[in-house]
Amino acid sequence: SQQGEEDPQALSIQEGENATMNCSYKTSINNLQWYRQNSGRGLVHLILIRSNEREKHSGRLRVTLDTSKKSSSLLITASRAADTASYFCAPDRWGAQKLVFGQGTRLTINP
Amino acid sequence: DAGVIQSPRHEVTEMGQEVTLRCKPISGHNSLFWYRQTMMRGLELLIYFNNNVPIDDSGMPEDRFSAKMPNASFSTLKIQPSEPRDSAVYFCASSLTRTGGNNSPLHFGNGTRLTVT
Repeated sequence: SQQGEEDPQALSIQEGENATMNCSYKTSINNLQWYRQNSGRGLVHLILIRSNEREKHSGRLRVTLDTSKKSSSLLITASRAADTASYFCAPDRWGAQKLVFGQGTRLTINP
Repeated sequence: DAGVIQSPRHEVTEMGQEVTLRCKPISGHNSLFWYRQTMMRGLELLIYFNNNVPIDDSGMPEDRFSAKMPNASFSTLKIQPSEPRDSAVYFCASSLTRTGGNNSPLHFGNGTRLTVT
């Protein structure tokens, strides 16, 4: 299966805390992408990490990738209410045209 | 950049009626994807096009579903006849070419919420 599996399914934290979401996958990849979906909206691309990278930062986002364990994690630091959303990982195989998504992690930031 | 534009945003129809969902991809993007999202099944890929040609329609659930891309700036997803179990949010996404190892990210529209009664 090409899709990733996000863990946990749901996460609820207080504003200001850090949120960590994990993704496991089964195929060899060229890169792995993370997307966010706010309620009632489409997915928005957040960050892409290539298979030869171990860590990548973008603002308050930090993504790690361990290809030996076929896993990735997304860390959101100093969470805000606006970070409340579902987060999806998408393992991207070399030469794959399609992108398949799992069920996502539903993140709730409590004020 | 107007993003991916989908219409209508909401569609309510009766069982047996024909439904047509529309999508305008981002100009210059030549890959287009149709997804369906439900609570039970998550986000399912229905079909995708590259340079207006359908590449993989293995996710289309039944013959009642059909998709076309007559030109680079327009695609439709049609359900005929519609059934209550087709109720879902349908997303269109586009990207730069994803062939030849070029794994470009996807840009999603805000979806069409379809309710079939």
